Amino acid sequence: DILLTQSPGTLSLSPGERATLSCRASQSVGKFLAWSQQRPGQAPRLVIYDASKRATGIPTRFSGSGSGTDFTLTISGLEPEDFAVYYCHQRSSWPPLTFGGGTKIEMK
Amino acid sequence: QVQLLESGGGVVQPGGSLRLSCAASGFTFSSFDMHWLRQTPDTRLEWVAFIHHDGSAEFYDPSVKGRFTISRDNSKDRLYLQMNSLRLDDTAVYFCAKDFGGQVRMVLPESWGRGTRVIVSP
Repeated sequence: DILLTQSPGTLSLSPGERATLSCRASQSVGKFLAWSQQRPGQAPRLVIYDASKRATGIPTRFSGSGSGTDFTLTISGLEPEDFAVYYCHQRSSWPPLTFGGGTKIEMK
Repeated sequence: QVQLLESGGGVVQPGGSLRLSCAASGFTFSSFDMHWLRQTPDTRLEWVAFIHHDGSAEFYDPSVKGRFTISRDNSKDRLYLQMNSLRLDDTAVYFCAKDFGGQVRMVLPESWGRGTRVIVSP
């Protein structure tokens, strides 16, 4: 199984600041890396897929980059609704689909 | 607007069974592949199972293969997860999710329901 490692575990930031989240895969996943957001008490929703494509309805302040084993999710200018947990996940080699442990963005 | 509503969770003893259901609306259910996923008490997300839009193929995480069965009824816009031989480590919130792809198979959970809680306890 492909292991996904996210860092940091928690980011403490203020609204308006830039968030940079990292996801590293134990082996290459090509471009098949996605990011999902889970707000408190809510279900996850897809934010970025295939490393850099924004899902439907996702604001342009969200961007993704990377390929192979190293990926980044950047949120430029945090809005209050962006404080949540973000999970990376891969569909390159399955079953199983695998998820990272998550990065929580909390308000400073 | 995609809506997915899971039901059927509860408390069950180890070795017991439960059947989860997911009612779908807001999209053409029969055109989309579907997933079951779960979130453990320590908030880890785990993929459980995947079924093709027409029910022609199913895929499972090795930890549930042989114990869980994913199925669907396209005439009722419903997805199911039959869970047998439940273990303590099956305790989680279970989500159904619509796949991103339609015409093109993506194997990518896109829209998730709110989940149903399953607790396996002696």
